[in-house]
Amino acid sequence: EAQVTQNPRYLITVTGKKLTVTCSQNMNHEYMSWYRQDPGLGLRQIYYSMNVEVTDKGDVPEGYKVSRKEKRNFPLILESPSPNQTSLYFCASSLVPSSYNEQFFGPGTRLTVL
Amino acid sequence: AQTVTQSQPEMSVQEAETVTLSCTYDTSESDYYLFWYKQPPSRQMILVIRQEAYKQQNATENRFSVNFQKAAKSFSLKISDSQLGDAAMYFCDDYGGSQGNLIFGKGTKLSVKP
Repeated sequence: EAQVTQNPRYLITVTGKKLTVTCSQNMNHEYMSWYRQDPGLGLRQIYYSMNVEVTDKGDVPEGYKVSRKEKRNFPLILESPSPNQTSLYFCASSLVPSSYNEQFFGPGTRLTVL
Repeated sequence: AQTVTQSQPEMSVQEAETVTLSCTYDTSESDYYLFWYKQPPSRQMILVIRQEAYKQQNATENRFSVNFQKAAKSFSLKISDSQLGDAAMYFCDDYGGSQGNLIFGKGTKLSVKP
C-alpha cells in the first residue's frame, strides 16, 4: 500500500530533551516536507527537500533540523524542544515538486513539550 | 512572499445544500498549481481538487468544483449537495513551482447540519 508513515504518532516530552520524528514513504517520491499545524494558523511548512541531500527552509524552520540521506526517509529533529513547539506535525511527499502531483500526507504526530 | 488567505474561519451548511469556501492567493509565479485539501476529524489530509493556473476551465470532481479567477487570484471551492461526511477543515494550498515551498491558508472549518 502506498503510504507515508510517521513515528511516533503521539509524544509527550520535556523541555530540552532531544527527539526525532521519523517519516518514511514507499512511493519513490522525490519531494518531502514537514509541516506543523496550530489552531488558527493552519499548516506552516518547516522544511522541505527536493531530493536526496537537498533540503531547504520553509516558513518556520527555527528550532528544527532535517536530513535527507535516503530518498524514502526524512526525519525531523528537535535538538532542544521547547513548549512553543507543542503542535501537530505532518510529513508529506509528492512525486516531483514542480508538477501537477498532489502531496501525500502522513497520519500526523501530536507532540507535547512540557 | 507568497500568501494564501482563507477569510472564513468557520462555515456552516445545511445537509443537501450548497456552500462555497473562499481562498485568495498572491504569487509572482507564472505557472502554479492550486489545491484544496480536506482534513476530517481523523486528521488525515485528503486531496479534494486541484487546478492548474494556465487552464482556464474550472476543475470539477463530483460534488466539488472550483471557481478559479486568475486575474483576481481567487480560488473558491463549491460543495454541492452537502453531506454529513463533508464536515471537516478545508485548506487551500498554493504551490509556486520554482521555489519548492508550499503555502497553505489557515483553513475553514465546515459544519454540516442534518
